[in-house]
Formats: sequence, C-alpha cells, structure tokens
Amino acid sequence: DAGITQSPRHKVTETGTPVTLRCHQTENHRYMYWYRQDPGHGLRLIHYSYGVKDTDKGEVSDGYSVSRSKTEDFLLTLESATSSQTSVYFCAISRTQGAGSRQYFGPGTRLTVT
Amino acid sequence: AQKVTQAQTEISVVEKEDVTLDCVYETRDTTYYLFWYKQPPSGELVFLIRRNSFDEQNEISGRYSWNFQKSTSSFNFTITASQVVDSAVYFCALSGGGGADGLTFGKGTHLIIQP
Repeated sequence: DAGITQSPRHKVTETGTPVTLRCHQTENHRYMYWYRQDPGHGLRLIHYSYGVKDTDKGEVSDGYSVSRSKTEDFLLTLESATSSQTSVYFCAISRTQGAGSRQYFGPGTRLTVT
Repeated sequence: AQKVTQAQTEISVVEKEDVTLDCVYETRDTTYYLFWYKQPPSGELVFLIRRNSFDEQNEISGRYSWNFQKSTSSFNFTITASQVVDSAVYFCALSGGGGADGLTFGKGTHLIIQP
C-alpha cells in the first residue's frame, strides 16, 4: 500500500460540465502523475508534477489541466468534459527521485461523461 | 519518441501450461528502464519487475521469468505452470533516463487461464 487515494472513485457527469479529480498521497513524495486507461490504448500519461506548483504535460494533455498547491495533493481538472474523456483515471507516485523509479498507482477513478 | 508494442491482444491457455507475453520497445535513450505491471480483474495495477538498460541478466521469481534482449529490443515475460489466478491484463512499460519521466505503456495483453 503506497498511501495513495483517489476521489471520487466513480463519477458520472454531463458533457460540458467541469470535473475535478483528486489524488492524495500520505508519504510526501515529490513526483506525481496522472494517466488515463482506455480499451485498446493501455495507459497514457496526461500530466505529471515534480513538486509544488511544478507541472508538465504528458502525451494526452489536451482538455486537461492540473494543479499542485500542496505536496500531498495533485488535482486533475476537465474544464468542460467531453464524451471522449470517458475513461479510468489513475494517479501514480514515485517514491524515489532517481531516473526510472518504480511508480505506485492509486485505485483509479472511473469517469463517465454522458 | 518512445513506443512499446505488445502484439498479443489476448492469450488463452489451459492451466499448468507455460505462456510467454511479448514486449518490444523503441527508444532513442541510451539509459532506459523497462517494467511489467499486472492488472487483475479488480482493476488495481500491481508492479512485477523493473529492469534497467544496462542489466541484461534474465530474472526469475518463482513461476515468473523475464528475458531482456537489447539486440532485439525485447523484454518478454514467461509464466511457468500457469494458474487461474494469473488471469489478468499484463502491461509492459518503458521510461527514459529523466528523473520525472512518466511511463510509456504498451496496450496490454489479456491473459486468460482456463481451469
């Protein structure tokens, strides 16, 4: 157990509404990541953070923004949700700062946009 | 750009058979890291192994073994004497040498072990 929680775990929302997903860690690690998982695509990196207020884009960042005002929380926001953003979202952390560190994943959030 | 290819979308075998999951990767980095994760039907992601690009030794852990070959850019995973509990989706992933690098995942192989 890497001390990662995600909230909500399930959410159904309508197209055009804003949605914020929260990732919370209890271990004070520097690196945090957001991925989405879709059938036929595996997991794809959306955004990542390497410290408070330090974030960067991943492979599929369009339509998403992130914020990290505290070490323990990494928020993913869909400003105006679309059906193509229906997915399972995973948060991850790296416990060490070295290259190629193992990532620990949260339980996931299943988001459905209708 | 990095890429991971898992050509086997789904594999079905009978319990106690050996099964190999293929993973081929592409990267321009000289230093990189390879991973395997397991996703059982419950949905969580379970870490199995991490291997760096300088260590080509094969690894064995119980019924699991991994074969890393830089010459063919492959990092294959074998389960010996498969069990029903091995049924899951297995992901191969790659990261570069940067400190904050995210993982590039393959599309996954759905392994079904029939009793």
